[in-house]
Amino acid sequence: QVQLVQSGAEVKMPGASVKVSCETSGYTFTSYAVNWVRQAPGQGLEWMGWISTSTGDTNYAQKLRGRVTMTTDTSSSKAYMELRGLRSDDTAVYFCARGAWIQRWVIIDYWGQGTLVSVSS
Amino acid sequence: DIQMTQSPSSLSASIGDRVTITCRASQDINNYLAWFQQKPGKAPRSLIYAASTLQSGIPSRFSGSGSGTDFTLTISSLQPDDFATYYCQQYNLFPYTFGQGTKLEIK
Repeated sequence: QVQLVQSGAEVKMPGASVKVSCETSGYTFTSYAVNWVRQAPGQGLEWMGWISTSTGDTNYAQKLRGRVTMTTDTSSSKAYMELRGLRSDDTAVYFCARGAWIQRWVIIDYWGQGTLVSVSS
Repeated sequence: DIQMTQSPSSLSASIGDRVTITCRASQDINNYLAWFQQKPGKAPRSLIYAASTLQSGIPSRFSGSGSGTDFTLTISSLQPDDFATYYCQQYNLFPYTFGQGTKLEIK
């Protein structure tokens, strides 16, 4: 069965960086994209970006550009999201989510369990 | 960015009720619209894509409709497991954007 298992919770100081991993199984990794979505406490969902696992192409939300990097390791079927220059408003649960290709569009179908990143001094 | 506006923001309903949630896009997104369900402390669950196509394993009491800028999610007969927050998302243009959510509560 399709599974996306994320790394554990992180506590970081302001200005630090965090790297969240997403280990996938149950499907051909390079046939699907990986999206990253975050959710601040008590708030809605915010799409952060997307990486094509076959080409490495990325598309990041404008507000995060310059601070976020999404990568993959096809040998281990893992995806990573690194966020730098952390601020208190980056405190959120970060989700990876599989993206299925429908023609040129990517639809989210399966989700990881989420990783809480807390930013506090 | 395309703004997605859901209404209502919250809704109280009873088991067996028919419920409709609306999502409006700030510009034409064709039918590139998805719906998700989320329960407290859990990851979202994908329900519908392409405005009306059910994801695998989703019960048939869920249905979606719409095209262009106006979309609806309908639950034909509410079950206890359906009380959750629902989000729409457009994936026509980057950045993909979500609605603010509709919280469905038990009356």
